[in-house]
Order: sequence, then structure tokens, then C-alpha cells
Amino acid sequence: KQEVTQIPAALSVPEGENLVLNCSFTDSAIYNLQWFRQDPGKGLTSLLLIQSSQREQTSGRLNASLDKSSGRSTLYIAASQPGDSATYLCAVSGDTGGFKTIFGAGTRLFVKA
Amino acid sequence: EAEVAQSPRYKITEKSQAVAFWCDPISGHATLYWYRQILGQGPELLVQFQDESVVDDSQLPKDRFSAERLKGVDSTLKIQPAELGDSAMYLCASRSASGGEYQETQYFGPGTRLLVL
Repeated sequence: KQEVTQIPAALSVPEGENLVLNCSFTDSAIYNLQWFRQDPGKGLTSLLLIQSSQREQTSGRLNASLDKSSGRSTLYIAASQPGDSATYLCAVSGDTGGFKTIFGAGTRLFVKA
Repeated sequence: EAEVAQSPRYKITEKSQAVAFWCDPISGHATLYWYRQILGQGPELLVQFQDESVVDDSQLPKDRFSAERLKGVDSTLKIQPAELGDSAMYLCASRSASGGEYQETQYFGPGTRLLVL
């Protein structure tokens, strides 16, 4: 059964700092991995999608990497801003017992001005 | 920009009452998902539709939950009777089938926050 773990559960950093969020998954037979952002009381917004054949994706100040064999992904945020404060969720999609998307519990990020 | 619409945004009900949530996916998106998100956790899939057909409802508590997508467009999720443990955010998402399962992301609605007293 696929399990997704995100570390740390919460993170507080000063504005301007570069930071890394971690995601690990137990079953490497995935089709893709996605990083989402969720603001309090809101829905999820897709940030980056990495297909299983890819190693990384970049969008603006965000860079996500994928090491499928070791079951790990990182989300790198450069020059953090207070507006980056949100919960960041990692999700993997695979075909273990039917195609499903399994989410981690998220990392709650607070960027201090 | 097209968005997934959900209503109501908030719902307070008493246990044993019936509640219903509505979702209108992005136009043309054949795949629709209902997720439940308990505070502090990631979303968990309740049911997945491909057009009007249920593809996966293995995690749907069928004794009290039901979902339908009669014309393959909008969808309704119902809980009857509601229990205290059903208090959560209910999220709807949709996805285009054009790029295949591996390439297309899911687009989420704003969610319905349910509180059962």
C-alpha cells in the first residue's frame, strides 16, 4: 500500500531564505508526482507535476526533483516571501490496486516578514 | 480562467441529518473526483467518475454516502445520516482525459467545509 510522508510537518523561516521541503513514498511504481499548495480553508492549486520519466521540473522560484528509485522528492523554494506561506502537499499517482492519487499530510510553511 | 465550482462553501448540520454537496467541473473534463480532507491531513479519495460512470468508490462509506454524476457533467455527494466524524473539508477536482492519466493535473474546487454538531 502506497504511503506518502512529508517532512517537516511545519516550518518557519525568515523572508528571503531558500528552503527545501521533503516528500517520500513507499512504492516506487508511480506514474507521476505532484506538488500542490493549499491556503487555509481553500482548495488545492497545482504547482508542479513531474512524470515518472523526468528528474525535475521548474516554475519560477520553485524547483521540484524526483528520485523514483529511492522514493523521494524535494520542493526547493528560492528567496522565500511572506506570500509563500501556505501548506504544501505532495501527491503520487500510481496503479497500485487501481489508479489512485495518494497525498501526504503536507508541510505547513510560514515565512516571516 | 475556468474553475471548478462547489457549493455550499460552508455547511453546519446536526448529526443524523442529511447533507448534499454540489460540484461543477471545468467544462470538458471527463474525470471528476470527490475527496475528503480532515484537518491536518491530506485529501483522501472518496469516489472517482469517468463521465457518468463510477471508476473507484472503494473508500466511500456506502452505508451513508452516495454520489452521482447523472449526465456526466456536474455531480452531487450526499451523506445520510451525517455523523460527528464526517466533519471535514469535502473537495471536488476534475481532470481532462486528453493527456492521459500520467500527464494531466487535477484542478480543485474551493471545497465545502462541513461541521456536524
